[in-house]
Amino acid sequence: ILNVEQSPQSLHVQEGDSTNFTCSFPSSNFYALHWYRWETAKSPEALFVMTLNGDEKKKGRISATLNTKEGYSYLYIKGSQPEDSATYLCAFTLNAGNNRKLIWGLGTSLAVNP
Amino acid sequence: EPEVTQTPSHQVTQMGQEVILRCVPISNHLYFYWYRQILGQKVEFLVSFYNNEISEKSEIFDDQFSVERPDGSNFTLKIRSTKLEDSAMYFCASSGQGAGEQFFGPGTRLTVL
Repeated sequence: ILNVEQSPQSLHVQEGDSTNFTCSFPSSNFYALHWYRWETAKSPEALFVMTLNGDEKKKGRISATLNTKEGYSYLYIKGSQPEDSATYLCAFTLNAGNNRKLIWGLGTSLAVNP
Repeated sequence: EPEVTQTPSHQVTQMGQEVILRCVPISNHLYFYWYRQILGQKVEFLVSFYNNEISEKSEIFDDQFSVERPDGSNFTLKIRSTKLEDSAMYFCASSGQGAGEQFFGPGTRLTVL
């Protein structure tokens, strides 16, 4: 069974705190790891797509790392702001031809208090 | 910036009725997907579509479900006879490459009574 686990399930932080979440996924037959940010009533927004072991990507105050050998990825938010409040979802794709369905975790719900 | 759109945003239907959920993917994309999320559960893959045919479907996507790209711009998901357990948020996504980033619409919340 292909399973993606995310932790923690929810997180409350104060404005200015830095935080991080974990995504674990099966390491065999791996192709890519995706991080999405999802605010209620909006489209899930792609943050990062990572494919190589050791990949590190950054977008503003948000960054992510990837370890494909042990099957985990971290998402970091530096200096959290109230507008960072959202659900952060990770998903991975298998190395299986040209079809890349996303297999999802349950998400981490982040609330940043002003 | 191009975006994926979905209509309606919310659909309420009676059990046993047919529903059609509509999506307009990004215009130059070639790969199309439907996912759904039942409240409190993980997002689940339903079906992928490429070159005018289904390329993969999940166990959820049984004979009650079908997809169509009728006119080169719309991508529709039809549920022939809805069940209570079909109540979920349905997301459409498109991608320019099979292995590339998938762009999502805002979802259609389907409520089956």
